Amino acid sequence: GAVVSQHPSRVICKSGTSVKIECRSLDFQATTMFWYRQFPKKSLMLMATSNEGSKATYEQGVEKDKFLINHASLTLSTLTVTSAHPEDSSFYICSAASTGQIEKLFFGSGTQLSVL
Amino acid sequence: AQSVAQPEDQVNVAEGNPLTVKCTYSVSGNPYLFWYVQYPNRGLQFLLKYITGDNLVKGSYGFEAEFNKSQTSFHLKKPSALVSDSALYFCAVRDERGGATNKLIFGTGTLLAVQP
Repeated sequence: GAVVSQHPSRVICKSGTSVKIECRSLDFQATTMFWYRQFPKKSLMLMATSNEGSKATYEQGVEKDKFLINHASLTLSTLTVTSAHPEDSSFYICSAASTGQIEKLFFGSGTQLSVL
Repeated sequence: AQSVAQPEDQVNVAEGNPLTVKCTYSVSGNPYLFWYVQYPNRGLQFLLKYITGDNLVKGSYGFEAEFNKSQTSFHLKKPSALVSDSALYFCAVRDERGGATNKLIFGTGTLLAVQP
């Protein structure tokens, strides 16, 4: 099956620094990628939708200047948490969809971000 | 607005017994429904989907789900639970709003605990 690779799996950073999370589709071209945030024992909250070559579409309440999303190629999307604060600590998950796979998403393994 | 509800935060079942994880949905059109499983510190794995056709959908790892239009439900079932089935299960519905067709709305998740 299709594989989505997400790195790093875990990152600890100091408050005020920026952290970049990568999401790669390894064996298919991902025209659309989604970024989710998951709080402990809670559901996934969609943060933004990124389409290759265009600006990301952010969900209501998500700060686009804080959570920078880049989808520069059909196999790579990045989420950069800028000026991280302890409240940004969370589990971030990406998912990817390829043209034609309209009913199925492939998820990365997630990134646990801890901001000290 | 479309939504899915998972009324149980946790389901406990003994190994070998049948299990059911409940999900109800609310959509204005035809529902596209999904079940995903998440193991600790991992991304989501697709289990099964309902788009059209038979109301009983068979998926991965011996799971199945029954689509019931009159009750607006899509409960996940398995005839005989395994300890390894212990995980967090998410029901999801495709977002009908305009834009990416792969956008999903997730339920709050149900933790399945299978006791040996």
